[in-house]
Amino acid sequence: GAGVSQTPSNKVTEKGKYVELRCDPISGHTALYWYRQSLGQGPEFLIYFQGTGAADDSGLPNDRFFAVRPEGSVSTLKIQRTERGDSAVYLCASSLTSAGLTGELFFGEGSRLTVL
Amino acid sequence: GNSVTQMEGPVTLSEEAFLTINCTYTATGYPSLFWYVQYPGEGLQLLLKATKADDKGSNKGFEATYRKETTSFHLEKGSVQVSDSAVYFCALNLPGNTDKLIFGTGTRLQVFP
Repeated sequence: GAGVSQTPSNKVTEKGKYVELRCDPISGHTALYWYRQSLGQGPEFLIYFQGTGAADDSGLPNDRFFAVRPEGSVSTLKIQRTERGDSAVYLCASSLTSAGLTGELFFGEGSRLTVL
Repeated sequence: GNSVTQMEGPVTLSEEAFLTINCTYTATGYPSLFWYVQYPGEGLQLLLKATKADDKGSNKGFEATYRKETTSFHLEKGSVQVSDSAVYFCALNLPGNTDKLIFGTGTRLQVFP
């Protein structure tokens, strides 16, 4: 498809389990972002990739969270030892170069994570 | 720190009514300002933006003017439609080497016929 694709759209897991969330950005977009949106809140920045490298991971809440983008396209957000507080919608966005230049991010529909 | 404050929703209007959704910001330096919209079942999408003071962003009948003196970027539309029902997010992006958007909490708009 032409847009940002995220899978799974819904994930229910148990506390302590490991979770992977996948993002397939728009073809040709070099910048990729992960955001987290809790209920009733706006999206909060987690991590930003320019190509294959994480240019800014200052938003990752702790070392249980990790993200990769090995070939500069698809990215995976990995959460270890999930906690109930990790329940949220995880949003992925991509842009042609950098939001600092255009401000236009293209968002996927998100992956809703529920930790029981 | 840097932050965005939006009016709480929901905002409930009849079709053809005038819309204002307030947004104020706190930032070091001179940010760019944005309104994103999320329609039901869809991802967030850019509605409009302004990159410097006194700029007016506009799209689909919506407008917002970057007011440095009041640190505001209020969203307005003269005549809303049922299809405008969505959640609206105000956001800022600081110049320099930061590439992340800082979002407000969102304001839900409900327009009834």
